[in-house]
Amino acid sequence: AQRVTQPEKLLSVFKGAPVELKCNYSYSGSPELFWYVQYSRQRLQLLLRHISRESIKGFTADLNKGETSFHLKKPFAQEEDSAMYYCAANSGNTPLVFGKGTRLSVIA
Amino acid sequence: DAGITQSPRHKVTETGTPVTLRCHQTENHRYMYWYRQDPGHGLRLIHYSYGVKDTDKGEVSDGYSVSRSKTEDFLLTLESATSSQTSVYFCAITSGTGTMGELFFGEGSRLTVL
Repeated sequence: AQRVTQPEKLLSVFKGAPVELKCNYSYSGSPELFWYVQYSRQRLQLLLRHISRESIKGFTADLNKGETSFHLKKPFAQEEDSAMYYCAANSGNTPLVFGKGTRLSVIA
Repeated sequence: DAGITQSPRHKVTETGTPVTLRCHQTENHRYMYWYRQDPGHGLRLIHYSYGVKDTDKGEVSDGYSVSRSKTEDFLLTLESATSSQTSVYFCAITSGTGTMGELFFGEGSRLTVL
């Protein structure tokens, strides 16, 4: 079955510390992978997608096909990064499947 | 905001009553989705639509029905609401062709079933 796994429900880090939000996927073929973010009182929005290979707000995500992972990283966390983060995937014209989400809390 | 609006934004209702949530888009996109968001479960797909009168079930479709009589409107109906359907409901559209591409979300509808 197609599945996206985010093992951490909550991740707390100090401001300025590195951040890594984990995501593993279980898909056949080559899925398209995304990270979405939901800031407090805002709608869900795309943070980045693997095909664009961009760095958004200092975040990057590397696709590791061998480990079927798409971890989100940022070298220095900021307080404004506190939010709910969702990893998501789809392939073959099927709807997007989301992980259960990780709440990131950046402590000043 | 990709021209997506949801109504109502908040609703409190009693068990057994029918509820309809509306999603309206101004972008003329073919694909529309309804997800529910619950702590510990993330976002789960309820139903989606790939055109007028064309809909399909998602992961958690039991207890829900949908209708799409116009491109711009996608309705989610709870025929007889239960407490387990207390949730935040999000409508979304796909920017690209098919289901691939970026999803744009509405602001969410918070439903409480007493």
